[in-house]
Amino acid sequence: SYVLTQPPSVSVAPGQTAKITCGGNNIGSKSVYWYQQMPGQAPVLVIFDDRDRPSGIPERFSGSNSGNTATLTISRVEAVDEADYYCHVWDSSSDYVIFGGGTKLTVL
Amino acid sequence: QLQLQESGPGLVKPSETLSLTCTVSGDSITTTYYFWGWIRQPPGKGLEWIGTTSYGGTTYFNPSLKTRVTMSLDTSKNQFSLKLTSVTAADTAVYYCARESCSATTCYRWYYHMDVWGKGTTVTVSS
Repeated sequence: SYVLTQPPSVSVAPGQTAKITCGGNNIGSKSVYWYQQMPGQAPVLVIFDDRDRPSGIPERFSGSNSGNTATLTISRVEAVDEADYYCHVWDSSSDYVIFGGGTKLTVL
Repeated sequence: QLQLQESGPGLVKPSETLSLTCTVSGDSITTTYYFWGWIRQPPGKGLEWIGTTSYGGTTYFNPSLKTRVTMSLDTSKNQFSLKLTSVTAADTAVYYCARESCSATTCYRWYYHMDVWGKGTTVTVSS
């Protein structure tokens, strides 16, 4: 089955740029979605269709997808961005949703 | 504003059936092009998609859970439900319900994403 690989953790200083990757075989041919999960809370959609932001999500959040890697970029990182981030794609070969293992973003 | 709320027993015995309900307010579960799904998260671990269903009767399930999962809609109560049979300790998790929607012009299944989530309910499997 299809596998999505995320780094377990990413650390960044406030004001810097964080890049969280989601690797998968030819993931550039798929639509990728990103969710933010604060501690003890439900996930929130932050990016859909590779690069679009739902209303209410800051412009600091952006997405890209090419080749074997999709990337969630958070510019001008703030302490409030500290959370777990998950990517998701649809596995057309088995008809189900696959999540990446998640990345814990730490703001130093 | 759309809201989803999970409900059900917080404790289930091994080998029994886990039953959860998601009550939807602010929209109808009969609305075309939406799916209604379940996702779970074991303690300290990542998200696992369980499955989804639509008013039109289309369902998709995680292959690893397919033989134990049933989903249904109750349009009179604007609710949808999850049943998971023969549970073990490995089924202990926070269970979330979510609306799945599509933003594309043509809503193929791979364009669907979870845009509204419930707050989650903790289910522990233990005797």
